[in-house]
Amino acid sequence: DGGITQSPKYLFRKEGQNVTLSCEQNLNHDAMYWYRQDPGQGLRLIYYSQIVNDFQKGDIAEGYSVSREKKESFPLTVTSAQKNPTAFYLCASSGGTAATGELFFGEGSRLTVL
Amino acid sequence: AQRVTQPEKLLSVFKGAPVELKCNYSYSGSPELFWYVQYSRQRLQLLLRHISRESIKGFTADLNKGETSFHLKKPFAQEEDSAMYYCAPKTGGGNKLTFGTGTQLKVEL
Repeated sequence: DGGITQSPKYLFRKEGQNVTLSCEQNLNHDAMYWYRQDPGQGLRLIYYSQIVNDFQKGDIAEGYSVSREKKESFPLTVTSAQKNPTAFYLCASSGGTAATGELFFGEGSRLTVL
Repeated sequence: AQRVTQPEKLLSVFKGAPVELKCNYSYSGSPELFWYVQYSRQRLQLLLRHISRESIKGFTADLNKGETSFHLKKPFAQEEDSAMYYCAPKTGGGNKLTFGTGTQLKVEL
């Protein structure tokens, strides 16, 4: 079954801890993205990667880090430097035979900082 | 500053009434624009692209460069249209999109 898988769905973290969100895709897409979704603010781009071993900061990269060692995987680490990490995080991918502008999204991961 | 604006957080219409979800952008040049939709308990997905000038599920969107708008329209709303709608211009290389804040459409019986 092709698609994007995010894990975990729900995650709780204590202040001061780093946490890593997983994003895996089997669509053979070159590009992958991380967005943060907050009520009333829509989706904001954190990081994106257009090819393996390369990634760029989005609009709100501070306090986050990523890696792209494999085409299928684009994990996001929320570090203790992120001032307001409680949010819903969405991963997406694009490429292959998909139409221009078509992103395929995962189901999301909800992070709550206690 | 380049931005995309969806002025309505919530739009409530009756079934059978016309729907117009507003989107205004301030990007220079000729951006490519898209509408995405998220139905309850489903993933965010592409609804339509302005360059294809298509009608999807009865929805159309015309790019008005003079007014810098890309409003989403449907002549007769259906209950299944209730969802969150996002306007998204392409703002960088590849498929880098910037999403608006979204409009929640509620179609009432």
